[in-house]
Amino acid sequence: DTGVSQNPRHKITKRGQNVTFRCDPISEHNRLYWYRQTLGQGPEFLTYFQNEAQLEKSRLLSDRFSAERPKGSFSTLEIQRTEQGDSAMYLCASSQVTQRDGYTFGSGTRLTVV
Amino acid sequence: AQRVTQPEKLLSVFKGAPVELKCNYSYSGSPELFWYVQYSRQRLQLLLRHISRESIKGFTADLNKGETSFHLKKPFAQEEDSAMYYCALAKIGGTSYGKLTFGQGTILTVHP
Repeated sequence: DTGVSQNPRHKITKRGQNVTFRCDPISEHNRLYWYRQTLGQGPEFLTYFQNEAQLEKSRLLSDRFSAERPKGSFSTLEIQRTEQGDSAMYLCASSQVTQRDGYTFGSGTRLTVV
Repeated sequence: AQRVTQPEKLLSVFKGAPVELKCNYSYSGSPELFWYVQYSRQRLQLLLRHISRESIKGFTADLNKGETSFHLKKPFAQEEDSAMYYCALAKIGGTSYGKLTFGQGTILTVHP
């Protein structure tokens, strides 16, 4: 297990296109989280899963964003009809329910919408 | 709603000087507080958490519920401590923790 893996590392897309990111968590972790980070800001919560169930979704998240974790393992985050304001670093993290060892973060996917 | 405030975006100290990174929070329930750190070109990682009461890399943090603060301290800063530091809060429900809410971060620079 090499930790939390995110793909792709970078994505440049034209405004209006759809993009999908993938996150592979640590296999023993049943919690998976998605965060967004823009320059000069801390990570902002988007959504999280416990196994395959999506437990919480940020009210800031528009309907253009959707996330899945179909078998309780990897997760995908899709953004439809991208806008320039979606440009950010998208971070995935995983943890145990008790967060005994905190979150383990991936390297992130940097999205640029042109 | 829970909120975490780190009032200093930038903090510069000289090697060997004491350092304190401030963190204030607002939450009406029982929170668990964390400090995360991101070194240059590395992933965000856990530094320490309140409940473990450990000292990691010489850093300590005390939860002050009266002042709703969780400041991070180190008596003698080292150059390798230069990094971005984030304070974070999680709600506790039994043995289950909710999502983390992060502050905006403080960039610590330790000069030689």
